[in-house]
Amino acid sequence: LAKTTQPISMDSYEGQEVNITCSHNNIATNDYITWYQQFPSQGPRFIIQGYKTKVTNEVASLFIPADRKSSTLSLPRVSLSDTAVYYCLGMRGNQGGKLIFGQGTELSVKP
Amino acid sequence: GAVVSQHPSWVICKSGTSVKIECRSLDFQATTMFWYRQFPKQSLMLMATSNEGSKATYEQGVEKDKFLINHASLTLSTLTVTSAHPEDSSFYICSASSDRGPDTEAFFGQGTRLTVV
Repeated sequence: LAKTTQPISMDSYEGQEVNITCSHNNIATNDYITWYQQFPSQGPRFIIQGYKTKVTNEVASLFIPADRKSSTLSLPRVSLSDTAVYYCLGMRGNQGGKLIFGQGTELSVKP
Repeated sequence: GAVVSQHPSWVICKSGTSVKIECRSLDFQATTMFWYRQFPKQSLMLMATSNEGSKATYEQGVEKDKFLINHASLTLSTLTVTSAHPEDSSFYICSASSDRGPDTEAFFGQGTRLTVV
């Protein structure tokens, strides 16, 4: 499964848009790029998943360039409750949900 | 989305005793579940893959005799930490997959905080 690299931490203020970029140079052709959110003392929660171009849901947008070697999670107008660790992963359908987590990005949203 | 439930949410046990953690998929069947461990300020580390009706597959460096996994039904996997010691204190998390082919999503339990004293 793809090795991913993300910034260790990011700071933001309420109401700002936050973009977290993830590098995955060796992503396989059949890997989907998936982002999870984790609050302290909770299990990770699925945010968004995509293969290429742009995906948007009610929580976030995911931008994936044509070469798929990186991706950017975009959180519009963050609030204090978005303070969490965000993980980027390559996820393969035939792995049945087996995930290898990288270090993640600790996002701190300040008032 | 699908719901995965862990029990207990937290447990404190004495050194040398064994602790069992349950992971249930509440509204779907999971032939495969996964167990992770997470130390403070660190990422999740995959411990093992739990297969219904067969032996678990352990990741390198994880002691299979210490972390016993049983997956007796399509909705329940258990992790037993045997002869627990303080260094086993950690946050244990399970996940299960609702397999939709390429668009597979893994659902996580809320985690179990184990403290060994």
